[in-house]
Amino acid sequence: QVQLQESGPGLVKPSETLSLTCTVSGGSINDSYWSWIRQPPGKGLEWIGYIYYSGSDNYNPSLKSRVTIPLDTSKNQFSLKLTSVTAADTAVYYCASQNGVNYFDYWGQGTLVTVSS
Amino acid sequence: EIVLTQSPATLSLSPGERATLSCRASQSVSSYLAWYQQKPGQAPRLLIYDVSNRATGIPARFSGSGSETDFTLTISSLEPEDFAVYYCQQRSDWPLTFGGGTKVEIK
Repeated sequence: QVQLQESGPGLVKPSETLSLTCTVSGGSINDSYWSWIRQPPGKGLEWIGYIYYSGSDNYNPSLKSRVTIPLDTSKNQFSLKLTSVTAADTAVYYCASQNGVNYFDYWGQGTLVTVSS
Repeated sequence: EIVLTQSPATLSLSPGERATLSCRASQSVSSYLAWYQQKPGQAPRLLIYDVSNRATGIPARFSGSGSETDFTLTISSLEPEDFAVYYCQQRSDWPLTFGGGTKVEIK
């Protein structure tokens, strides 16, 4: 069974870069597409983007200018880099496996990132 | 982008009752729609994919139906563990989008 675990700072200052890492266990990072999804407190879900082991990626246009999702196959990890953050980026960030038909079948537990000075 | 509108926002029901949740798409998504369940403090869990296919381990009391723009998730008889928030998600077009959610609460 694939397991995912997010890690990274829980507090980021405005205008700085939010960086999170997702560690995949119980499966190879070469076996799926890997996504980030976020959920502002008390609100709904927003897909941020995905990376595939081949290097192909796709991002939500609403965030595309500020986001990258790097992949480290040697560590079975992928990351999220979101630049120039504001309070509107405060959310629980989930990493998830995006299966071959673009549904999310495995999720991390989520990590709350607060943007505040 | 495709907007998914879920209704009602909140559904108040008793255990044993039938729950009917709606998801409407701003344009056709064909049969490319999934449903997720999210409990407080937990990640969402995939319940149904491609309208009516239950994910691994999902009980038969959960069923999905619909096509094009109108979809329904039905829980035939609510169990105590089914009280949660439910989201629909489309994979017909980029970006992938979710509905705003329906909270099923205990009456």
